[in-house]
Amino acid sequence: DGGITQSPKYLFRKEGQNVTLSCEQNLNHDAMYWYRQDPGQGLRLIYYSQIVNDFQKGDIAEGYSVSREKKESFPLTVTSAQKNPTAFYLCASSKRAGGDSYEQYFGPGTRLTVT
Amino acid sequence: GQQLNQSPQSMFIQEGEDVSMNCTSSSIFNTWLWYKQDPGEGPVLLIALYKAGELTSNGRLTAQFGITRKDSFLNISASIPSDVGIYFCAGHPNNDYKLSFGAGTTVTVRA
Repeated sequence: DGGITQSPKYLFRKEGQNVTLSCEQNLNHDAMYWYRQDPGQGLRLIYYSQIVNDFQKGDIAEGYSVSREKKESFPLTVTSAQKNPTAFYLCASSKRAGGDSYEQYFGPGTRLTVT
Repeated sequence: GQQLNQSPQSMFIQEGEDVSMNCTSSSIFNTWLWYKQDPGEGPVLLIALYKAGELTSNGRLTAQFGITRKDSFLNISASIPSDVGIYFCAGHPNNDYKLSFGAGTTVTVRA
């Protein structure tokens, strides 16, 4: 079964700690994305990657970092510099960035709570 | 990304009703996508539209890409209880391949 997996589903951290959210896809997609969703709001882009070993900042990258060492994996680190880290985090992938295939497919999400 | 204006913000449905929601932008879009999100889950792609005027169905769902390329609507016919959730529009502006999202329409069953 092809798809995107995110783990864990729920994550709790103390303020001041860095935390890494996992995202894996077996769709053979080139592009991967991280979004943040807050209650009652749309999705906001944190980082995206079109190819391995390359990634770009999205609209709200401050306090976050990513890596793309493998095509299948795009982990997101929420650092202690992120002022309001509590949110629902969604990972997505698409066949390619640009071109005709703009359809993004999402994982089940990770709910991060920082206290 | 550019913010899309999605309306209504919320709606109540009664089983069997037809419902409609729409999305507008201030600039031309190349692609319109409609997603549904259940509570605590990731959005699921329902319909993708690529041409102005295109009308596409997926079961009881029908979506259209507006002629002006600045709007799109989604209709749900003969709604059923499992239609509840949040529906998002998304699109690619003419000059940017990144997706822009609407704030969502929350669909709830009327008691």
